[in-house]
Amino acid sequence: ETGVTQTPRHLVMGMTNKKSLKCEQHLGHNAMYWYKQSAKKPLELMFVYNFKEQTENNSVPSRFSPECPNSSHLFLHLHTLQPEDSALYLCASSQEGSVRGYGYTFGSGTRLTVV
Amino acid sequence: AQTVTQSQPEMSVQEAETVTLSCTYDTSESDYYLFWYKQPPSRQMILVIRQEAYKQQNATENRFSVNFQKAAKSFSLKISDSQLGDAAMYFCAYRSAWGRDDKIIFGKGTRLHILP
Repeated sequence: ETGVTQTPRHLVMGMTNKKSLKCEQHLGHNAMYWYKQSAKKPLELMFVYNFKEQTENNSVPSRFSPECPNSSHLFLHLHTLQPEDSALYLCASSQEGSVRGYGYTFGSGTRLTVV
Repeated sequence: AQTVTQSQPEMSVQEAETVTLSCTYDTSESDYYLFWYKQPPSRQMILVIRQEAYKQQNATENRFSVNFQKAAKSFSLKISDSQLGDAAMYFCAYRSAWGRDDKIIFGKGTRLHILP
């Protein structure tokens, strides 16, 4: 499989549940990102990982917990979410360094609904 | 900090016609990259076209071309011979070429409708 793969594609969870989103990239990239996309709001960068190290956390609530065990995998662990956390969660990867001009490669996202 | 502005939340175009999506950005840098991404209903963001700021020649990719005006900090996307499959959300984006902050900065997007 090529590109960036996100699972699950859809997720419905209660506010007391714990679930995880998974992202996997097969491009040999060394940076990975989580974005939140809500209706009528711009893309919100949540977390950035470079070479497995978290380099950015944009004031994301602690009910979102990222994990990057290696450069190919990225997880977003969810617990005690709120209805306003319902959104499309996008994962992206990139090759940092001198090849910034190639941009990001995105996955198809996980549509999360919190009930 | 850099910003990207897309002033047209929605646009419509007749099939086979040409449409131009606007984008302006603000930066004090001289070297950077600009992108247009497409997000169809399938949700995956796809890179449509990219421009390197140090190149004066406008980028083209088949029916997609840009009008890059560096002095005006403008980067519009022209879609020729519009097709139904072009219906999507389009995001303009900026990325520094150098320095520690290498995140891509996205505009709010323009939703493009194609009328049959």
